[in-house]
Amino acid sequence: AQSVTQLDSHVSVSEGTPVLLRCNYSSSYSPSLFWYVQHPNKGLQLLLKYTSAATLVKGINGFEAEFKKSETSFHLTKPSAHMSDAAEYFCVVSEVSGGTSYGKLTFGQGTILTVHP
Amino acid sequence: DVKVTQSSRYLVKRTGEKVFLECVQDMDHENMFWYRQDPGLGLRLIYFSYDVKMKEKGDIPEGYSVSREKKERFSLILESASTNQTSMYLCASNPGQGKSGANVLTFGAGSRLTVL
Repeated sequence: AQSVTQLDSHVSVSEGTPVLLRCNYSSSYSPSLFWYVQHPNKGLQLLLKYTSAATLVKGINGFEAEFKKSETSFHLTKPSAHMSDAAEYFCVVSEVSGGTSYGKLTFGQGTILTVHP
Repeated sequence: DVKVTQSSRYLVKRTGEKVFLECVQDMDHENMFWYRQDPGLGLRLIYFSYDVKMKEKGDIPEGYSVSREKKERFSLILESASTNQTSMYLCASNPGQGKSGANVLTFGAGSRLTVL
């Protein structure tokens, strides 16, 4: 069975400083991994996805994540935070076991990112 | 752009009422999903459907049922609403196995249900 753990429920940074949102996963098979973002009163939006190609994945708005199989991690980073990055971020794992997964995804608990001026 | 539309943004219902949450997608996606979102718990899958009239239970199906009579529409039904079903409900869809973006979900804006 697949699972995902986001190690921080809240992260607070100053504008212009780096962002690190941590995610560990558990999967029996080769996983697909995603980060989604949810701005206040908005729907969830895909930030980036890993599907067994390059281990360093670049997403929208300057975010990137690195897949590390040995550490079962998929941490999200951004070199310089912007006020508009304040949102809730979800790490997501999807297993593909050779059959159909129907795109069934398992979500982490979410990390709320606060950006201070 | 793929659009997933949830008919109601906010609903207030009383305990014991039957509640229908409607979701429509306009990109011919095979798979549709209902999640509920609660603070500190992330999103939890209630039900999903991989074809018309086909459905599978997710992680928390108790107290819910679903209907998919047409490909574009996926309804979530609370037969007898209870206060512990007060939550944000999110509908999502994806293209399906073997298609471009197969397991990338597109979400609706959500329906916030309050059960009194």
